[in-house]
Amino acid sequence: RKEVEQDPGPFNVPEGATVAFNCTYSNSASQSFFWYRQDCRKEPKLLMSVYSSGNEDGRFTAQLNRASQYISLLIRDSKLSDSATYLCVVRITSGTYKYIFGTGTRLKVLA
Amino acid sequence: DVKVTQSSRYLVKRTGEKVFLECVQDMDHENMFWYRQDPGLGLRLIYFSYDVKMKEKGDIPEGYSVSREKKERFSLILESASTNQTSMYLCASTPGLAGGHSDTGELFFGEGSRLTVL
Repeated sequence: RKEVEQDPGPFNVPEGATVAFNCTYSNSASQSFFWYRQDCRKEPKLLMSVYSSGNEDGRFTAQLNRASQYISLLIRDSKLSDSATYLCVVRITSGTYKYIFGTGTRLKVLA
Repeated sequence: DVKVTQSSRYLVKRTGEKVFLECVQDMDHENMFWYRQDPGLGLRLIYFSYDVKMKEKGDIPEGYSVSREKKERFSLILESASTNQTSMYLCASTPGLAGGHSDTGELFFGEGSRLTVL
């Protein structure tokens, strides 16, 4: 079983739609959580950190459920420019730290 | 802006060649990482370093070594390249020791080095 699991997609949605991605993690020592965005043939870039109380950044909302070891990302009013792969990332801290990446969920927003 | 620079965007090497991938960051980050990214497998950690001359193995260190002689530079070495090392290699850095005041958690990536081994 992978340490961080995501549905690979692709999710094909029309412009303006709301789309949700889920991610589960298996290591209960995971302490920090992130969503990264990766455009085709580009490097990953931080989209947002995920906090226990949930957090929002414009059209993007992230939620964390520690009890179920589950992270979600909601994108409202999808834009063509949101087309990318979204990577769920957990960080384990123990002196130094280790980032564990999901394989990503591909989103295509269609005109 | 933080800049992480990888020396080569595209390389083509032959089986058995020694390959050096260089990574330089300009923000005085303590922590540096080397990942490889393959379709369906995601990013996998090869090695990381939390200080000069310090290194730790990641999940897939076999066939690789690293060097960190200066804080800003972290090199990945393939001693004898093999075809199964054809991949996208990504360097990343992040500031601060775990839990320190400068610890934002964000990883800053270079643009990647796409290596093909023939």
